[in-house]
Amino acid sequence: QKEVEQNSGPLSVPEGAIASLNCTYSDRGSQSFFWYRQYSGKSPELIMFIYSNGDKEDGRFTAQLNKASQYVSLLIRDSQPSDSATYLCAVPNAGNMLTFGGGTRLMVKP
Amino acid sequence: DTGVSQDPRHKITKRGQNVTFRCDPISEHNRLYWYRQTLGQGPEFLTYFQNEAQLEKSRLLSDRFSAERPKGSFSTLEIQRTEQGDSAMYLCASTPGVGEQYFGPGTRLTVT
Repeated sequence: QKEVEQNSGPLSVPEGAIASLNCTYSDRGSQSFFWYRQYSGKSPELIMFIYSNGDKEDGRFTAQLNKASQYVSLLIRDSQPSDSATYLCAVPNAGNMLTFGGGTRLMVKP
Repeated sequence: DTGVSQDPRHKITKRGQNVTFRCDPISEHNRLYWYRQTLGQGPEFLTYFQNEAQLEKSRLLSDRFSAERPKGSFSTLEIQRTEQGDSAMYLCASTPGVGEQYFGPGTRLTVT
């Protein structure tokens, strides 16, 4: 059974700062990783995915993958109050069913 | 809006009643997934379809739960004899194959 772990937070950062969200996973054979953002009362929204070791950048978001250490991170640069949400890390298994972490709640304070 | 729709968005029912939820995936997506999410937790996988075939069911899916995807288009999830523990957000996601999944808005079920 794959496990995905995240610190539940809340992680509080001031507006304009870099928010760093971390996720560890148990299955060394995992190949792909997804980050979803979920606002309170809403459904998860895909914001990033990464397959290869290293960094992947998309606008203010950077996903970082380190397979040797089995962790994946999401960096949000120039954090805005609108970024305040729960961020979910997800890892697919053989049938592409996603195993989610519990999510990290991010609060960006103006 | 991802293009995945779910109906109803909210359902309040009394314990012991049956409920049915519908999911319409993005039209060209042949895989459809159902997840359940309770407050403060990440979504948990329930079942998935490739076209009309139901390929996997989680052990979370008790005998009271049944899902269908006739003709490989929309899907329904039925819960019979609802219990208070069934109260949750039921999420549907679709994907063209392997890779990223796109979620619908969810159906929030409250069992009183």
